[in-house]
Amino acid sequence: DAGVIQSPRHEVTEMGQEVTLRCKPISGHDYLFWYRQTMMRGLELLIYFNNNVPIDDSGMPEDRFSAKMPNASFSTLKIQPSEPRDSAVYFCASSLTGGGALYNEQFFGPGTRLTVL
Amino acid sequence: RKEVEQDPGPFNVPEGATVAFNCTYSNSASQSFFWYRQDCRKEPKLLMSVYSSGNEDGRFTAQLNRASQYISLLIRDSKLSDSATYLCVVNLEGGNYQLIWGAGTKLIIKP
Repeated sequence: DAGVIQSPRHEVTEMGQEVTLRCKPISGHDYLFWYRQTMMRGLELLIYFNNNVPIDDSGMPEDRFSAKMPNASFSTLKIQPSEPRDSAVYFCASSLTGGGALYNEQFFGPGTRLTVL
Repeated sequence: RKEVEQDPGPFNVPEGATVAFNCTYSNSASQSFFWYRQDCRKEPKLLMSVYSSGNEDGRFTAQLNRASQYISLLIRDSKLSDSATYLCVVNLEGGNYQLIWGAGTKLIIKP
């Protein structure tokens, strides 16, 4: 398996522009997570999906952020309009349910390093 | 008080030594616990889950102390390749994920 795939790996954009981050989870995994990591705030869970349905988006910082999962193999995180304070590494992760979701490993993608100028 | 707290370090440790660090959590309803490892500019990867009875995986030992609300990670015979940031993760409640990540403890193993 190729693991969790994210694109782009790096994104540099200007304030006010729309940014779309993409994620392909591991085939067969039914949970998908979006995280943001910064030096100041560490790793923060933004939103997670179960079977393509958003379960908890309480970590999404503002209405400028939105996430979708149109099918089991694809998810997007969109920021519109972007701001310099959105600069961070955005990780996507996926996991299985079986055996008790609380205890299952999350597999992370390589991340998208976003810089908003 | 943060929900999950870790000493950020860095812990500078000579190769071959034993090192231990803790992670404290504030919510007594926490259900499950993990240690993840993150190398510089890489993604986090699961190191080990932490079970109530404690568990060991090679040179690594994880312990849970529910009474004092902390988990610990012990690394014996440390290797240069153990240099990384170690992230503590706590899942607060049953059913849904409410994963709270610690900020991580940076470990540097010196030759």
